[in-house]
Amino acid sequence: RKEVEQDPGPFNVPEGATVAFNCTYSNSASQSFFWYRQDCRKEPKLLMSVYSSGNEDGRFTAQLNRASQYISLLIRDSKLSDSATYLCVVKSLNTDKLIFGTGTRLQVFP
Amino acid sequence: GAVVSQHPSWVICKSGTSVKIECRSLDFQATTMFWYRQFPKQSLMLMATSNEGSKATYEQGVEKDKFLINHASLTLSTLTVTSAHPEDSSFYICSARDLQEGGETQYFGPGTRLLVL
Repeated sequence: RKEVEQDPGPFNVPEGATVAFNCTYSNSASQSFFWYRQDCRKEPKLLMSVYSSGNEDGRFTAQLNRASQYISLLIRDSKLSDSATYLCVVKSLNTDKLIFGTGTRLQVFP
Repeated sequence: GAVVSQHPSWVICKSGTSVKIECRSLDFQATTMFWYRQFPKQSLMLMATSNEGSKATYEQGVEKDKFLINHASLTLSTLTVTSAHPEDSSFYICSARDLQEGGETQYFGPGTRLLVL
């Protein structure tokens, strides 16, 4: 079983739509959680960290459910520029390593 | 925000040659840098953790004699792919860890595309 699992998609949504991605992780010792965005042929860029209480950054909302070991990302009012691959990333306590999911591809169309 | 650079951004080489990739943290010191590899439609896979002044720690299945890592200063780590073969063709990405009072952040370089003919 992969340490971090995501639905690869693609999710094809019209502009203005709300879309949600989920991610599950297998290591219960995981302590830090992130969503990264990766554009085609580019490096990943940090979108937001995910906190236990949930957090919001503009149109983006991230949630963490430790009991069920899943993380979600909600994007409201999708823009064409949101088209990218969204990577779920997990880090365990006392380790330097980031564990990446395979990513969920989002395509927003006009 | 912090910037990490990589050089070269792409390289094409013949099978059997060695290729060196540089990763630099431009406005912070990084005692720890990471090297990843990403094949098409796959996730980033950590190859090794590079620690300034000490030996790199390699992930299982990554040959340390083939992928030589040197982290001689707080702002520079290099990855050398020795005797490259076509199966080594991939997108190599480094990241550098920036330790701050409130926590840490990893910043990624723009990546290096390697094509071995």
